[in-house]
Amino acid sequence: DAGITQSPRYKITETGRQVTLMCHQTWSHSYMFWYRQDLGHGLRLIYYSAAADITDKGEVPDGYVVSRSKTENFPLTLESATRSQTSVYFCASTGQVWGTDTQYFGPGTRLTVL
Amino acid sequence: GQQLNQSPQSMFIQEGEDVSMNCTSSSIFNTWLWYKQDPGEGPVLLIALYKAGELTSNGRLTAQFGITRKDSFLNISASIPSDVGIYFCAGQRPGANSKLTFGKGITLSVRP
Repeated sequence: DAGITQSPRYKITETGRQVTLMCHQTWSHSYMFWYRQDLGHGLRLIYYSAAADITDKGEVPDGYVVSRSKTENFPLTLESATRSQTSVYFCASTGQVWGTDTQYFGPGTRLTVL
Repeated sequence: GQQLNQSPQSMFIQEGEDVSMNCTSSSIFNTWLWYKQDPGEGPVLLIALYKAGELTSNGRLTAQFGITRKDSFLNISASIPSDVGIYFCAGQRPGANSKLTFGKGITLSVRP
């Protein structure tokens, strides 16, 4: 199916472990984004990418690493997970609707760090 | 980071009632988007607004891009139980390179 997918949908890990969350989109959208959603904070931008091999920090990038070797994939890695990184993570991509950018979200990954 | 202002945090209405939500900012936005998020799912785009003063409908939903470009409104008419969820506004500022600024969302509950 076309669209934006995330895997895994649920993940439990331990403090200090490395975790990679996957995001894949089939639209060939240039821009892709990673957000985390926490109660009281809404959606906060972690990293974004304007194109393959171009990434930039968002509002809360510390503790996260991203890469984008292919347009359709934008993995997010927690190099050494901490309990404060327990959250729901959303990937999004931007496509054009009537010539103007509109952002579409994946279904999310619920990550628990014990 | 800058946030858009959405209040109240929660709204409770009776099935069949209309409900209005607004989203305000001290900054100008070029684009306003309204999303709905169901439990356990990602936000889904409801309505997109691209010009100041624009009024757009999507079924029972109507949204407006404020004339000042600093606010937007969403109205849901004749609410039904499946309208329950979190409603987010998002705006794109001039020169933001597709990045969006989000409100914290309003949780809507609909009593049958």
